[in-house]
Amino acid sequence: NAGVTQTPKFQVLKTGQSMTLQCAQDMNHEYMSWYRQDPGMGLRLIHYSVGAGITDQGEVPNGYNVSRSTTEDFPLRLLSAAPSQTSVYFCASSYSTSNNEQFFGPGTRLTVL
Amino acid sequence: GENVEQHPSTLSVQEGDSAVIKCTYSDSASNYFPWYKQELGKRPQLIIDIRSNVGEKKDQRIAVTLNKTAKHFSLHITETQPEDSAVYFCAASSDNQFYFGTGTSLTVIP
Repeated sequence: NAGVTQTPKFQVLKTGQSMTLQCAQDMNHEYMSWYRQDPGMGLRLIHYSVGAGITDQGEVPNGYNVSRSTTEDFPLRLLSAAPSQTSVYFCASSYSTSNNEQFFGPGTRLTVL
Repeated sequence: GENVEQHPSTLSVQEGDSAVIKCTYSDSASNYFPWYKQELGKRPQLIIDIRSNVGEKKDQRIAVTLNKTAKHFSLHITETQPEDSAVYFCAASSDNQFYFGTGTSLTVIP
C-alpha cells in the first residue's frame, strides 16, 4: 500500500493564480481531510469529507474548495492564491469517522509570491 | 468550536529523564485525544491516543492520561532518548473535526 500520497511536494505560485493540490489514499478510508501547518500554530483543519460525495468546512475554509467524487481522491483547490496561503499542506485519512488514527500524507510546501 | 491549548511550547530534558506535555480542551463533547510526533520536514505520526471512556493508556515508555472533569490530558515520556527529540502535538476530536494544539518542541540532550 502506498498509504496517503500528495502531489506536488513543492509549489510556487503568484498572487491570483489558482491550482489544485492532489491527495489520494489506497486504504479504502472513508474520512479524509486537509490541514495547513503554519509556524507556531499547529495544524488547522481546512475541509474534510466523511465519504464520497460529502464534504464540509473545517476551521479555516476561506479561499479553498474541495470535492470528493471517489473514495480514493480528495483534491484541494486554491481559487485565487494569496500570500497568506503560504504554508505546508497535509492531507490525512482515517477509517470511518475522525475518531480514529489519522494517516498523513508527506505534505506540500506552497509559497505564494 | 473546540479550543486546544498546549504547554510548554519548548522543553529540554537530559537523556534518561522524563518529559511531560500538557493540553487542555474546551468542548466537553470531544471524545478522542491523539498525540502526534513530527520530526523536522516529515509528516505527523500517531504515537498514542486515548478515548473519553478511558483515564490512562500506556505503550512502553509513553503514557497518556485524561481528566474529563478538568478537560485536560497529558503525554508522559519516560527514559527519554535522543531520538525522542521532535515536535509533539496533542489534538481533540469532536463532531468529525480535529483541533490541534500548537505543538511542543522537545529536545533530549545526550
